[in-house]
Amino acid sequence: GENVEQHPSTLSVQEGDSAVIKCTYSDSASNYFPWYKQELGKGPQLIIDIRSNVGEKKDQRIAVTLNKTAKHFSLHITETQPEDSAVYFCAAQTQGAQKLVFGQGTRLTINP
Amino acid sequence: EAQVTQNPRYLITVTGKKLTVTCSQNMNHEYMSWYRQDPGLGLRQIYYSMNVEVTDKGDVPEGYKVSRKEKRNFPLILESPSPNQTSLYFCASSPQAPGKGTQYFGPGTRLLVL
Repeated sequence: GENVEQHPSTLSVQEGDSAVIKCTYSDSASNYFPWYKQELGKGPQLIIDIRSNVGEKKDQRIAVTLNKTAKHFSLHITETQPEDSAVYFCAAQTQGAQKLVFGQGTRLTINP
Repeated sequence: EAQVTQNPRYLITVTGKKLTVTCSQNMNHEYMSWYRQDPGLGLRQIYYSMNVEVTDKGDVPEGYKVSRKEKRNFPLILESPSPNQTSLYFCASSPQAPGKGTQYFGPGTRLLVL
């Protein structure tokens, strides 16, 4: 089955700098890759997603890139702000599968 | 307001005492799912349901049961809880299977089994 590895487990950046979180997946048939943000005491919330027919997707300060050949995808956050501090999860879904497989999570801290 | 609700939010119990965590969504979603979140392991799916009376095992179903008698409700049942089921549990719903609509998560239920 699908396996998703996420790095780093913790990330600390200065406010205004960029943050990058990387995930690798094992199943070449996976075709849907969402990213979730989990704020303290809350459930995860979808922030951006990408499908296998697209190499990059942007939404304001957030972008996701996908390298199908290398089987990895990354979340890029630019001009980081204190409210970006949270735990971020990547996930992958294999075509035809009815479930998501999540990475281990990254705790992002933005230092003022 | 569109939402997924879970009850209780916090629960302390003892080994072997049956418990149920309720989950309800008001978005008429067909797909519902239960996850557990443990440090260093991310979110792991326990069970999911494609629609009423249709349920299937996720990656870590041992020790859990679910039912889907109504579209809006998807309770998680622990018949005989054990300490290794101490975890943070999330219910989620989406219009259809993941990838065909945004998956919405509930606020979580923190369970401690003594």
